[in-house]
Amino acid sequence: QVHLVQSGSELKKPGASVKLSCKASGYTFTTYAMNWVRQAPGHGLEFMGWINTGTGNPTYAQGFTGRFVFSLDTSVSTAYLQINSLKAGDTAVYYCASIGATFDHWGQGSLVTVSS
Amino acid sequence: QSALTQPRSVSGSPGQSVTISCTGTNSDVGNYNYVSWYQQHPGKAPKLMIFDVTKRPSGVPDRFSGSKSGNTASLTISGLQADDEADYYCCSYAGSRVFGGGTKLTVL
Repeated sequence: QVHLVQSGSELKKPGASVKLSCKASGYTFTTYAMNWVRQAPGHGLEFMGWINTGTGNPTYAQGFTGRFVFSLDTSVSTAYLQINSLKAGDTAVYYCASIGATFDHWGQGSLVTVSS
Repeated sequence: QSALTQPRSVSGSPGQSVTISCTGTNSDVGNYNYVSWYQQHPGKAPKLMIFDVTKRPSGVPDRFSGSKSGNTASLTISGLQADDEADYYCCSYAGSRVFGGGTKLTVL
């Protein structure tokens, strides 16, 4: 059975960094790209980008360049999202999602709260 | 890429049908048959309901159907049930992905 398990909630101050994890199981990790999606409180889904799990090559969507970093550790089937120089506007739930044709599995989401 | 345009809300009574539209451009929805629809209940992760405009993943009831005309894709839910009350998002995935703003479905 496919599972994507994300790390827990984080409370950070403005200017700090956070690194979220997304551990996959139940399938071959390098078969499908790992996508990242942001959902601010009371708002819709925003596509942040994706990382090729075979090559490690990241692709960032508009608005998510510079402070956002996707990475992998394929030895433990885990994808990471690091956000640097956090701002209040980064407060959101961050989802990882492994997607390919009919294969569509999402993590439970990680809540990041940025507050002084 | 700009977000796809969806109505903020739709509603219907149990047993009725509702249709949610998703308007893009000829650079995304209009030019590729790569539109998916997600259902999201409060506090939950999105769930895939339709992919490639019209296809249903295994386990999704045939009450859910998708279509496309020009730059507008649509999700139709027939035989509305209470549990269908949720937010629905369209997504175009030609090259990159872009989501619609979301539509809140209320079952009256």
